[in-house]
Amino acid sequence: GESVGLHLPTLSVQEGDNSIINCAYSNSASDYFIWYKQESGKGPQFIIDIRSNMDKRQGQRVTVLLNKTVKHLSLQIAATQPGDSAVYFCAENISGAGSYQLTFGKGTKLSVIP
Amino acid sequence: GAVVSQHPSRVICKSGTSVKIECRSLDFQATTMFWYRQFPKKSLMLMATSNEGSKATYEQGVEKDKFLINHASLTLSTLTVTSAHPEDSSFYICSAMDGSVNTEAFFGQGTRLTVV
Repeated sequence: GESVGLHLPTLSVQEGDNSIINCAYSNSASDYFIWYKQESGKGPQFIIDIRSNMDKRQGQRVTVLLNKTVKHLSLQIAATQPGDSAVYFCAENISGAGSYQLTFGKGTKLSVIP
Repeated sequence: GAVVSQHPSRVICKSGTSVKIECRSLDFQATTMFWYRQFPKKSLMLMATSNEGSKATYEQGVEKDKFLINHASLTLSTLTVTSAHPEDSSFYICSAMDGSVNTEAFFGQGTRLTVV
């Protein structure tokens, strides 16, 4: 299940099931979005990105969905594996602003139950 | 993908001393590098944007005299935490952008700073 509180929201998923991680972004002017995976004690790893002219993009085992109307982003991981356990962050950027500053969301901890 | 190397990965220092963290782009030239700070179970907070050959741009609330940033070459940016105090203990992460591929930033592995 999913819990929200003082700690990171946590999503627990059985190995082999699909995972859906959600993110609400803040700036309606943002037009570029990225999902990152961060394992404990390491820097973020790029997973997948999407531009605002798309509403869906697929990678290997991952799909990102973008709903600009409600400023919502989701990451779907198919056939979740123990190695997918990590904290997942969405990040947003305004590509036309002349910089590459990313604003990170709060993160969701994914725990995969073997 | 491109590789960004951050060093050291862990450092423990005494209160009042200064610590330098290096961020190197190993196989590309980084026109822009970013420094983030991350507290336990929290998200990454941008501290400053570092452009090669110019002064860094600091985010609101980040003391530029406390966190000195130097980006002297296209492959190296350094963050120096001056006169460190226990409240500076944190996880510091850099990212670098390849100016020729303007769509992706690559992250270092982070530096765990503990000030005792």
